[in-house]
Amino acid sequence: EDKVVQSPLSLVVHEGDTVTLNCSYEVTNFRSLLWYKQEKKAPTFLFMLTSSGIEKKSGRLSSILDKKELFSILNITATQTGDSAIYLCAVEAQGTDKLIFGTGTRLQVFP
Amino acid sequence: GAGVSQTPSNKVTEKGKYVELRCDPISGHTALYWYRQSLGQGPEFLIYFQGTGAADDSGLPNDRFFAVRPEGSVSTLKIQRTERGDSAVYLCASSLTTSTDTQYFGPGTRLTVL
Repeated sequence: EDKVVQSPLSLVVHEGDTVTLNCSYEVTNFRSLLWYKQEKKAPTFLFMLTSSGIEKKSGRLSSILDKKELFSILNITATQTGDSAIYLCAVEAQGTDKLIFGTGTRLQVFP
Repeated sequence: GAGVSQTPSNKVTEKGKYVELRCDPISGHTALYWYRQSLGQGPEFLIYFQGTGAADDSGLPNDRFFAVRPEGSVSTLKIQRTERGDSAVYLCASSLTTSTDTQYFGPGTRLTVL
């Protein structure tokens, strides 16, 4: 059965800290892995990763995929209170149209 | 519109009632998806439309759930004889063409069944 496991479930940090969020997966015929940020209800797209070892970067956020070890990490440097959210990891398999999500990591950044 | 929109934002109903949830995708997006997110969980796939047809409805939990997209744009998720366990946030997403394109999510409808 395809599944996505995220860790930690919850993380509390102070502004300025750097955090690393983990996502491991098991999926038949992997196609892509996606990261979303969910602040209230709507998940907003962050990154789509399809190839191993190529870092994707957007401002203070970056992500990388390891297809051999079946995991991805999302790094956030110099965290701000506005980074507080649930971060969702999802995978997509070849030949399917659905995203399989993990339960998310709840990040709280305090001033 | 600029993004995916969903109405209503909140819906409270009584057990046994019928509800309809609406999704308006990003203009020009041919693929549309429904997901359900229970408290403390990630979204779970329900159904995927390519144009007017349901290309994959394998995530619908039972025959009380049905979705349509008659003109290939707006979609309606219909739930008959609602149960308390149906309470969740129902999210809609759209992508430009096929599922290889990024899915963009709407704000969801929070359904509460009393």
